[in-house]
Amino acid sequence: EVQLLESGGGLVQPGGSLRLSCAASGFNFRIYDMSWVRQAPGQGLEWISSIRGGGPETFYVDSVKGRFTISRDNSKNTLYLQMNSLRSEDTAVYYCANGLRLIEFWGQGTLVTVSS
Amino acid sequence: DVVMTQSPLSLPVTLGQPASISCRSSQGLVYSDGNTYLNWFQQRPGQSPRRLIYKVSNRDSGVPDRFSGSGSGTDFTLKISRVEAEDVGLYYCMQGTHWPLTFGGGTKVEIK
Repeated sequence: EVQLLESGGGLVQPGGSLRLSCAASGFNFRIYDMSWVRQAPGQGLEWISSIRGGGPETFYVDSVKGRFTISRDNSKNTLYLQMNSLRSEDTAVYYCANGLRLIEFWGQGTLVTVSS
Repeated sequence: DVVMTQSPLSLPVTLGQPASISCRSSQGLVYSDGNTYLNWFQQRPGQSPRRLIYKVSNRDSGVPDRFSGSGSGTDFTLKISRVEAEDVGLYYCMQGTHWPLTFGGGTKVEIK
């Protein structure tokens, strides 16, 4: 059974940083592309970043480019999202998902609140 | 960016009746490999999204056969042949062909 378990969310002040983690199990993590998708309170889904399974190629939506960094540790079956220079508009539930063009399974999400 | 426009925003349906959700993209979604990366997701209240349909019309494992996807080019449709109470929630289309990947705004299915 595929499981994706996000952690690392919380309350942070504007301009602050957070690092999200996603522990994966139940599939061959190292060969899968992985993605982060967020959902602001009461809003729809927004793709924000993806990383290739077999190599370092990464992709970002313009609104987070230069502030967020996606990475992975295939030895730990873990996906990361380093978020810097956080803004109030980054407040959302952040989901980890496997896949890229064919996003398939989603984690339960972790809430990030950016507020003073 | 490719804009995904869903309609209607809200869809009240009588139990046992059919429902149809439209998704239109601002550009064609055929990728260079010949595939059309148009996916549909269901998000029940308080839950994470769940993929129902991938590449326009392929139903995921465990998804009831009352769900079907169709379409081509820029016009796509998700149909529920007979709505059940467990189908209440938000439905999103998503294109995986062009960067950035984009989602439709969502359609809320509710029971009349």
